[in-house]
Amino acid sequence: KAGVTQTPRYLIKTRGQQVTLSCSPISGHRSVSWYQQTPGQGLQFLFEYFSETQRNKGNFPGRFSGRQFSNSRSEMNVSTLELGDSALYLCASSLSDRNAYEQYFGPGTRLTVT
Amino acid sequence: ELKVEQNPLFLSMQEGKNYTIYCNYSTTSDRLYWYRQDPGKSLESLFVLLSNGAVKQEGRLMASLDTKARLSTLHITAAVHDLSATYFCAPNRGTSYGKLTFGQGTILTVHP
Repeated sequence: KAGVTQTPRYLIKTRGQQVTLSCSPISGHRSVSWYQQTPGQGLQFLFEYFSETQRNKGNFPGRFSGRQFSNSRSEMNVSTLELGDSALYLCASSLSDRNAYEQYFGPGTRLTVT
Repeated sequence: ELKVEQNPLFLSMQEGKNYTIYCNYSTTSDRLYWYRQDPGKSLESLFVLLSNGAVKQEGRLMASLDTKARLSTLHITAAVHDLSATYFCAPNRGTSYGKLTFGQGTILTVHP
């Protein structure tokens, strides 16, 4: 069974640009969550999508947005990039059922903003 | 707001020794996850603890959960170099399955 895939794996952008990251969950998983990992702030929850609807949202500015498609693939977008947005962005997928609780993480996208 | 504290944040161990990582959290949670992360890599699931008193073991690692004390422990027995990594705990509430709140992480280094 294929795992969670994220593209691209590495990205370099300039301040002020925007970026879109993609996450393909494990087949059959309907929930996709996004996290940002930085040395200073650690792992922080961005948002979760389930059946194309945002179900949970973390405490990030509106420059961070996401969406989920009917095939459960998800994208997140960051507009007007700032230097502080440099981070490892991880997505996780799960069945999102009370009895199927495992969250499986993808390899991550490392974003560098210069 | 759920707050999670791990200690210690840095742990340097000799091979063959035992040690425990503690994870305290601030509000009621009905499950708790432990993850491992190697440098530059993603998160690998170690354990999911689902109820008070739950104990799980895999190799040299054993995790337990005390929901009344809002405490989970990750015990390392007879450490080996391959266990060197960063370990994260993440309690989770049933109303927000897809939202994990992580501790700061414990950087474990095992020396020969």
